[in-house]
This record gives sequence, structure tokens and C-alpha cells, in this order.
Amino acid sequence: QKEVEQNSGPLSVPEGAIASLNCTYSDRGSQSFFWYRQYSGKSPELIMFIYSNGDKEDGRFTAQLNKASQYVSLLIRDSQPSDSATYLCAVRSNYQLIWGAGTKLIIKP
Amino acid sequence: DGGITQSPKYLFRKEGQNVTLSCEQNLNHDAMYWYRQDPGQGLRLIYYSQIVNDFQKGDIAEGYSVSREKKESFPLTVTSAQKNPTAFYLCASSIRTDGDEQYFGPGTRLTVT
Repeated sequence: QKEVEQNSGPLSVPEGAIASLNCTYSDRGSQSFFWYRQYSGKSPELIMFIYSNGDKEDGRFTAQLNKASQYVSLLIRDSQPSDSATYLCAVRSNYQLIWGAGTKLIIKP
Repeated sequence: DGGITQSPKYLFRKEGQNVTLSCEQNLNHDAMYWYRQDPGQGLRLIYYSQIVNDFQKGDIAEGYSVSREKKESFPLTVTSAQKNPTAFYLCASSIRTDGDEQYFGPGTRLTVT
């Protein structure tokens, strides 16, 4: 059974600090990794994807991938109250995305 | 304005009734997907389609059916055989057919009593 694991949280971070979200996956053959943001009652929104080991930066977001450790993370710099949401990690295995249950992030003003 | 639309936003049905959820996209995406989301769980794949007139079962296809007669449309029918149909249903599409970079519609929240 291919799995993606995330800490459910909530993760509470002060406004302006760095939020660090983590995800581990079981399928060593996975090649594509995605982070989605989901506000309460809304659908997921794709915010980052990464294919290669290392870091990928986009504005305040940085995705980090370590295939040897089967670990992917998302850093959010200068956290804002509007970043409060559930963050879903998804990993592609064959033609499907395998989803974690999400980490709830709360940014405290 | 390009995007994915799902209708209706909220749907209420009695047990024993079939119900069809609409999903339309004007992004010219080849691949389309249906997921359900239950509280505290990850998204689970119901069906997906990589090309018109072809679709594949996902992990939880039992009690559901789909069709893909047009590139733009991928309706999902929740049949009376589905044991626990109350859930948030999400449709996604992608320009890629390998599963990458999926974009979601707004979702339909189905309640069956």
C-alpha cells in the first residue's frame, strides 16, 4: 500500500515567522511531488511542485525534496494570517496522485 | 475565463436515489479526475480519464460510474450501491496525462439522508 504521511497538526506559527511543513512517502519510485493549499470548505489549490532533489523557491514558498530519505517539505517565509489553511502533500505513483491527509497551519497575528 | 466548473455546489438526496455531479473544463486539458474527500482523510481517487471515450477505475470506484463523451466534460454518477455517499466531491483536470499538475474545480458537497 503506497502511503503519504503528514502530521495533522495544528501547527501554530507566529506571524512573520517561517512555517515548516513535512511529508514522507513510501513509494521509492515516485518522481513528482506536489503541495496544495486548501482553505476550509474550499477545493485544493496547487502552490508548488518539485521533481528534483534539492530546493525550489517561488516567492515566499520553498519546496525541498530528499529522495534518499523519501521526504519532501514546504517552507513558508514571512508567514501571514492568510496562509492559515490545510496543506496537502501529494506524490505521483504511476498515473495517480497519492495524498496525505494534510497539515492544518494556523498563523497567529 | 478558463477554468473548471462543478455544479451544483451543494446537493441533497434521499437514500436509494442515483445522483449525477457535473464537471466541465474549458482549459483544453486531456486528463480529468474525480476524488472524494472525507473529514480528516486524504483525497481518494474514484475514476480518471486520460482521453475521450476512455476512463480507468481509481481506488474506490465501487458504487460510482462516469462517462467521457466530450473532452470538456466528465460527469460522475453516485449510484444507490455506494454505501457511504455523503462526502465532498472534487473534480480535477490536467494538461498532462501522467497524473502531474492537477487543478481542481470548486467541489460539490453531497449529503444523502
